[in-house]
Amino acid sequence: GAVVSQHPSWVICKSGTSVKIECRSLDFQATTMFWYRQFPKQSLMLMATSNEGSKATYEQGVEKDKFLINHASLTLSTLTVTSAHPEDSSFYICSALDRAGNIQYFGAGTRLSVL
Amino acid sequence: GENVEQHPSTLSVQEGDSAVIKCTYSDSASNYFPWYKQELGKGPQLIIDIRSNVGEKKDQRIAVTLNKTAKHFSLHITETQPEDSAVYFCAASEGFQKLVFGTGTRLLVSP
Repeated sequence: GAVVSQHPSWVICKSGTSVKIECRSLDFQATTMFWYRQFPKQSLMLMATSNEGSKATYEQGVEKDKFLINHASLTLSTLTVTSAHPEDSSFYICSALDRAGNIQYFGAGTRLSVL
Repeated sequence: GENVEQHPSTLSVQEGDSAVIKCTYSDSASNYFPWYKQELGKGPQLIIDIRSNVGEKKDQRIAVTLNKTAKHFSLHITETQPEDSAVYFCAASEGFQKLVFGTGTRLLVSP
């Protein structure tokens, strides 16, 4: 199956700093990628849809100025958590829609801990 | 918008038994229903999916059934093995993009 790589897998940062998470589709081109957030023992909540070459579409309640998404190429989308605070600590997961637009392949996730 | 409910939240079975997880959805426009397995500290892995023009799909020990009239779909795992232990999520969407996930079922298979 298709492979989606997410980096880093775990990051610890100080409150007030910014953190960038990368999501790459390794063996296919993805015009659409998605970013999810998952709190411990809870479900995945869609944060935003990232389309290559255009602005991301954010779900209701997600601050676009806080969670900056860039999808500059067909294989890379990035999520930057700006001015991170402890409440931003969570598991962030990306997915990429395959070329046929049928299946979402998920990355392994990034655990963000903000001190 | 779509709302997906999933039951049970926890399921314990003995190795070799069958496991059934059920989900209901609210939006009749939803036409794609994937199931994902998530192991601790990892991203979800697609294990099987079904589209609304099909009532049942099987892949070895895993099967999914869909009842569009009742708006519910189920995951069936037969001959469970300890390595099946994980959290399973159902999801629903119209098309293949904006997946709405269920709340998850923690499956524990005891040897």
